[in-house]
Amino acid sequence: KNQVEQSPQSLIILEGKNCTLQCNYTVSPFSNLRWYKQDTGRGPVSLTIMTFSENTKSNGRYTATLDADTKQSSLHITASQLSDSASYICVVSGSGGGADGLTFGKGTHLIIQP
Amino acid sequence: DAGVIQSPRHEVTEMGQEVTLRCKPISGHNSLFWYRQTMMRGLELLIYFNNNVPIDDSGMPEDRFSAKMPNASFSTLKIQPSEPRDSAVYFCASTPSGLAAGTQYFGPGTRLLVL
Repeated sequence: KNQVEQSPQSLIILEGKNCTLQCNYTVSPFSNLRWYKQDTGRGPVSLTIMTFSENTKSNGRYTATLDADTKQSSLHITASQLSDSASYICVVSGSGGGADGLTFGKGTHLIIQP
Repeated sequence: DAGVIQSPRHEVTEMGQEVTLRCKPISGHNSLFWYRQTMMRGLELLIYFNNNVPIDDSGMPEDRFSAKMPNASFSTLKIQPSEPRDSAVYFCASTPSGLAAGTQYFGPGTRLLVL
C-alpha cells in the first residue's frame, strides 16, 4: 500500500533558526513529489515539485531534497520567519499520474516563535 | 485571476440535513478535485473530474456523498443525509493539465460542522 510518512508531527523553533522537515514514502512507481504549505484557515499552496532525476530544488528560503533510492525527501527552511508558521504537506504522485497515484502525508505543523 | 472560489466558507447544519458545497475552478483549468481534511486523517481525495467527467470517485466515503460538474466552471459536492462524522474542511482544487500529477491550486475551503 502506498504511504507517505512525515516527521516530526509538530515542531516549534525560534525565529531566525533553521529547520528540516522529513518525508518518507513507499509509493511505487514514482512520478514526482511535492511540498505544499498550508496556512491556518487556507488551502495548501505548492512550494516545490521534484521529479525522479532532481536531487535539490530551492524556492527562496525553502530547499527541498529528494533521494529516490531511499525514498526520502526533506524540506529545509533557512532563517525562519513568523510567516513560516504553517502546516507543510508532502504529496507523492505515482504510476501514470492518475488520481489513484496521489498519496498525501498528514503534514508537519510548524510554529515559529518570536 | 480570482483563484478557485468555494462557497459557503462556513456551514453549520443538523444531522440528517442535506449539505451542498460549491466550487468554481480557475478559468481554463481542465481538472477539478474535491478533498476532505480532518486532523485525524489529513487530506483525503474524494473525487476527481477531467473535462467535466468524473474519472476517479474511489475516495467518496459512501452513497451519501455525490458530486457533479455540469460545466467547466462549476462543481458541487452534496452530502445527504449529513452526519456528525462528516464534519471537516472540504477543499476544491483545479489544475491546468489533465493529469492529477499537475500542480493543484486549492480554494480556501468550506468548514462544515454537522451537529
